[in-house]
Amino acid sequence: KQEVTQIPAALSVPEGENLVLNCSFTDSAIYNLQWFRQDPGKGLTSLLLIQSSQREQTSGRLNASLDKSSGRSTLYIAASQPGDSATYLCAVTSGSEKLVFGKGTKLTVNP
Amino acid sequence: EAQVTQNPRYLITVTGKKLTVTCSQNMNHEYMSWYRQDPGLGLRQIYYSMNVEVTDKGDVPEGYKVSRKEKRNFPLILESPSPNQTSLYFCASSLGSWYMNTEAFFGQGTRLTVV
Repeated sequence: KQEVTQIPAALSVPEGENLVLNCSFTDSAIYNLQWFRQDPGKGLTSLLLIQSSQREQTSGRLNASLDKSSGRSTLYIAASQPGDSATYLCAVTSGSEKLVFGKGTKLTVNP
Repeated sequence: EAQVTQNPRYLITVTGKKLTVTCSQNMNHEYMSWYRQDPGLGLRQIYYSMNVEVTDKGDVPEGYKVSRKEKRNFPLILESPSPNQTSLYFCASSLGSWYMNTEAFFGQGTRLTVV
């Protein structure tokens, strides 16, 4: 059974800092991995999707990497801003018709 | 604007009173799904649908029903709600199955309280 873990559960950083969020999964046979952002009272917004054949994806200040063999992904946020404060979730697809989510990392960027 | 719309956003109801949470998408997506989000448990899939008239159970289907009569709509039905169904519910859609490497779009969520 696929399990996804995100560490840390919460992270507080000063504005301008570069930071890394971690995601690990137990079954390396995945089709893809997605990173989402969830704001309080709002839905999830897809940030990046990495296919199993890819090593990384970039969008603006965000860079996500995937090491399928070790079951790890990282989300790198450059020059963090208060508007980046949110909960970040990673989810994998592996052999079933569903996304398996981690419990998320709650990020607070302090001005 | 491409979006997934859920209604209502907030709902308080009593045990046993049937309710429906609607979900509609305007992107002509084939794949739709319902999740519930609970503290400490994260997001778990309730039901999914790969196309019109094709639905299947997810991880936590007990106490829920769904239907997919039209491509754009995927309502979630609670025939006899109970307090353990108090949760935050999300509808999601994508162009195809998740393993087709298609981006997932989520609705704004429905916060349901059953008393």
